[in-house]
Amino acid sequence: DIQMTQSPSTLSASVGDRVTITCRASQSINSRLAWYQQKPGKAPKLLIYMASSLESGVPSRFSGSGSGTEFTLTISSLQPDDFATYYCQEYNCCKIFGGGTKVEIK
Amino acid sequence: EVQLVESGGGLVQPGGSLRLSCVASGFAFRSYWMSWVRQAPGKGLEWVININEDGSENQFAASMKGRFTISRDNAENSVYLEMKSLRDEDTAVYYCARDLVGGYWDVWGKGTTVTVSS
Repeated sequence: DIQMTQSPSTLSASVGDRVTITCRASQSINSRLAWYQQKPGKAPKLLIYMASSLESGVPSRFSGSGSGTEFTLTISSLQPDDFATYYCQEYNCCKIFGGGTKVEIK
Repeated sequence: EVQLVESGGGLVQPGGSLRLSCVASGFAFRSYWMSWVRQAPGKGLEWVININEDGSENQFAASMKGRFTISRDNAENSVYLEMKSLRDEDTAVYYCARDLVGGYWDVWGKGTTVTVSS
């Protein structure tokens, strides 16, 4: 089975910081990768699909890149509303999520 | 407003059964695949099962095989998840979500909580 590994699992950052989260697939998933943001007690929110396409309504400070097995989600300037947990998800095979990255206030 | 509203969660004993419902509004429900995704307490997200536009095809995560079934009623804009032989590890928030091409999700419900415990 395909494995999706996110790093780090927790990230401490300050407002205004540039933040990068990495997602690695155990086999090539082409560019079939999505990123979600989830806040406590809430449903996930789609941010990025097809590795780098920004979902409508999502702020442009969010961006995605990568292909094959290695992908990144970047927040160019962290805002107070961005403290949350982020998940990657492949949809080339089996709709598997990464373990999540919690972005905390430093 | 595009919306999904789940219901049917609750407390069930191990080995029991439960049926979850999800009602859609604000979009052409019959034109979309629909999924259920779950999240155990304090854990990550796990895709469970999905169904195609007319209900003739579905896919499921290997770990759910045989215990979970999905159905839909396009006249009622609803999708259902039937769960049987429930185990402690099925305890989770179950989200209904709208599938987009290939298998990611752009619209999510708020979730319904299923607790399996004696």
